Amino acid sequence: DAGITQSPRHKVTETGTPVTLRCHQTENHRYMYWYRQDPGHGLRLIHYSYGVKDTDKGEVSDGYSVSRSKTEDFLLTLESATSSQTSVYFCAISDRPGETQYFGPGTRLLVL
Amino acid sequence: SQQGEEDPQALSIQEGENATMNCSYKTSINNLQWYRQNSGRGLVHLILIRSNEREKHSGRLRVTLDTSKKSSSLLITASRAADTASYFCATDQGGSEKLVFGKGTKLTVNP
Repeated sequence: DAGITQSPRHKVTETGTPVTLRCHQTENHRYMYWYRQDPGHGLRLIHYSYGVKDTDKGEVSDGYSVSRSKTEDFLLTLESATSSQTSVYFCAISDRPGETQYFGPGTRLLVL
Repeated sequence: SQQGEEDPQALSIQEGENATMNCSYKTSINNLQWYRQNSGRGLVHLILIRSNEREKHSGRLRVTLDTSKKSSSLLITASRAADTASYFCATDQGGSEKLVFGKGTKLTVNP
């Protein structure tokens, strides 16, 4: 398995609180991605990074921000969590754009 | 919007049978990929086929690509109970840094 970890693996939080999810890789891959997975919607891209401090928006970026201060870490922040952000969040990495992605184990987030 | 759309949404077969899943997409691509997701786990890459390839094999997996019809199929031969999972296609939309995933086909292989 590619060396990708996500933390926390499970989180319950309240509406209006900020939440930060962490993705950590040991593969030195340039590209990192955050997805959310919801029933009926499949996997949707939130934000991605193409290098340290270089990020761009995905399909469903509203209400989310990201940061990448070093190659191995990509943080996803829900600025003020809402119930609609209850989901399973996956991080993925890739060493070439548009090529094979390697996924982390996911974070289950419940916003009450 | 979803680039790849898998068909069928769900498929139930007996162990030993073949399973075929289809994916249609809308824009030009450089490659198309298939991934598997076991319940509660992350996606695992299965196979990548490039736009200039028509067929690719990996073990019991056979993938075809028809760029004129903008479609791909994934065939799993001699299915096993362990193949029970959701299968997703993903496309790069012609060289984008991003992949766009379909909603997946849920395959159940009954022992």
